[in-house]
Amino acid sequence: GESVGLHLPTLSVQEGDNSIINCAYSNSASDYFIWYKQESGKGPQFIIDIRSNMDKRQGQRVTVLLNKTVKHLSLQIAATQPGDSAVYFCAEIRGASGGSYIPTFGRGTSLIVHP
Amino acid sequence: GAGVSQSPRYKVAKRGQDVALRCDPISGHVSLFWYQQALGQGPEFLTYFQNEAQLDKSGLPSDRFFAERPEGSVSTLKIQRTQQEDSAVYLCASSIFDRDYTFGSGTRLTVV
Repeated sequence: GESVGLHLPTLSVQEGDNSIINCAYSNSASDYFIWYKQESGKGPQFIIDIRSNMDKRQGQRVTVLLNKTVKHLSLQIAATQPGDSAVYFCAEIRGASGGSYIPTFGRGTSLIVHP
Repeated sequence: GAGVSQSPRYKVAKRGQDVALRCDPISGHVSLFWYQQALGQGPEFLTYFQNEAQLDKSGLPSDRFFAERPEGSVSTLKIQRTQQEDSAVYLCASSIFDRDYTFGSGTRLTVV
């Protein structure tokens, strides 16, 4: 099930189940979003991205859905494995000076996969 | 190199001490970002460089924080007179404008 802990929301699933991690973003002008996976002691690792002209994008075992009407993103992980246990962040990319873009991170969700 | 390299991996500083954290970005990446990540939180933006120019430093929490990238490659984040609230993981990322954002493993700073 899903619960809100003192710091991070936590999602606990059984190995082999599908996982859905949700994220709400704040800036309706954001046109690019990235999902990151962060394991303990490591930096965020790119999983999948999506631009605002798309509603859905699929990768290997992962799917990202974007609902611009309610400013909501979700990450679906198929056949979740113990190695998927990590903290997952969505990041919205906002425009910055000089033509570059700055990732702004959400709160994160801790995914725990039980064997 | 193959990825973003940060050093040191761990740093313990006495309160009031100055520290310097280093980031080696991916070769050819024009943009470089520094983030601060407190325990159980997401990374918070500190500052951003495009080549050697610091174009956004809106996230630096105080004037004790200073970042530079003098030759448009390696960057250093300096914290003067460290305080306990500065304890966090400091992450560096580099990118080619709006794609290929890659993060380093971070420097864990503990102020005692």
